[in-house]
Amino acid sequence: AQSVSQHNHHVILSEAASLELGCNYSYGGTVNLFWYVQYPGQHLQLLLKYFSGDPLVKGIKGFEAEFIKSKFSFNLRKPSVQWSDTAEYFCAVRYSSASKIIFGSGTRLSIRP
Amino acid sequence: DAGVTQSPTHLIKTRGQHVTLRCSPISGHKSVSWYQQVLGQGPQFIFQYYEKEERGRGNFPDRFSARQFPNYSSELNVNALLLGDSALYLCASSLDGDTQYFGPGTRLTVL
Repeated sequence: AQSVSQHNHHVILSEAASLELGCNYSYGGTVNLFWYVQYPGQHLQLLLKYFSGDPLVKGIKGFEAEFIKSKFSFNLRKPSVQWSDTAEYFCAVRYSSASKIIFGSGTRLSIRP
Repeated sequence: DAGVTQSPTHLIKTRGQHVTLRCSPISGHKSVSWYQQVLGQGPQFIFQYYEKEERGRGNFPDRFSARQFPNYSSELNVNALLLGDSALYLCASSLDGDTQYFGPGTRLTVL
């Protein structure tokens, strides 16, 4: 079945630490991949997306993600987190064979000031 | 530009009742999708409409229905409400059908 997994439910980091959030999707052909973020009290907004081309994509606020086809992964990274990065992060995938976008269960990121 | 708007913000209903949620997309966006988000989970796809036609449907019962109007706004209808329908209902609009721009959601509580 088409699915997305985010293995880390809650990540706690100190400011300036490096971040990597995992995202894996099940095999199902060509995919479009997304990371969304939900800051406290705000609605979901797009961080970055991958459709094709360079597997390393850069998004807003210093975030980047790498698409590794052989591992069915699309991990989110940031070299140095800030307190303002405290939020819930969602990975999402759309398989070319379907119109729906499937979201992972989310990773809550807490940053200690 | 105005973002995606949804109404109402909050809604309380009792079991068995019917509810209608409304969504206005970003100007120029012809695709609208609906999602259900239960606390602690990611959004779950309910419907996608493009140019007033249903493009996709998630694993939700027939009690859930939707439509898109000529001005591209959309309604989500849920009949015979159950306690388990309590959730945040999100609307998203899209220009390309992929990149979703989300509204603030409607919080539905079923008592």
